[in-house]
Amino acid sequence: AQSVTQPDIHITVSEGASLELRCNYSYGATPYLFWYVQSPGQGLQLLLKYFSGDTLVQGIKGFEAEFKRSQSSFNLRKPSVHWSDAAEYFCAVGGDDKIIFGKGTRLHILP
Amino acid sequence: KAGVTQTPRYLIKTRGQQVTLSCSPISGHRSVSWYQQTPGQGLQFLFEYFSETQRNKGNFPGRFSGRQFSNSRSEMNVSTLELGDSALYLCASAAGQGNTIYFGEGSWLTVV
Repeated sequence: AQSVTQPDIHITVSEGASLELRCNYSYGATPYLFWYVQSPGQGLQLLLKYFSGDTLVQGIKGFEAEFKRSQSSFNLRKPSVHWSDAAEYFCAVGGDDKIIFGKGTRLHILP
Repeated sequence: KAGVTQTPRYLIKTRGQQVTLSCSPISGHRSVSWYQQTPGQGLQFLFEYFSETQRNKGNFPGRFSGRQFSNSRSEMNVSTLELGDSALYLCASAAGQGNTIYFGEGSWLTVV
């Protein structure tokens, strides 16, 4: 069955520290992979996506993610977080039929 | 280019009533999908329309329905509202299957 797992419900990091949000998926073929961010009361904004090619993808706001087929993972990283990065982050996987979202990871930033 | 537009942004309804939410996709996008987001269940897929045809459907009761018009605008309807239907309803559009989906700001529905 197709699924997306974000094992961390909440993550707290200090401002300026590095960040890695984990995402594991189960999918029959090579999927399309996405990371979205949602600020309180807002819709979801696309951070980055992987369709094919280079497995390290760059996104907006200084985020990047690496597709590791052997680990079925697509972890999101940022070298130095800012207070404005506090939000909920969703990993998603899809193909030609539909997109499935993880439960989300809420990121808290300590000043 | 304008983004996905959803109306209304906020609404309060009473149990047993029905509600219709509207979504205007990004210009040129022919696929519109709907999601329900709640704190307990997260993001759940409701259905997806492409060229006025429902292509995919999530696991929701028949009280939840939708449609898409020839201009790609979409509506979703929830009849006989229940308290558990209180949620953020998100609409997303895409150029087609397998393309990136872009979300609107959502419609906050509160059922009292």
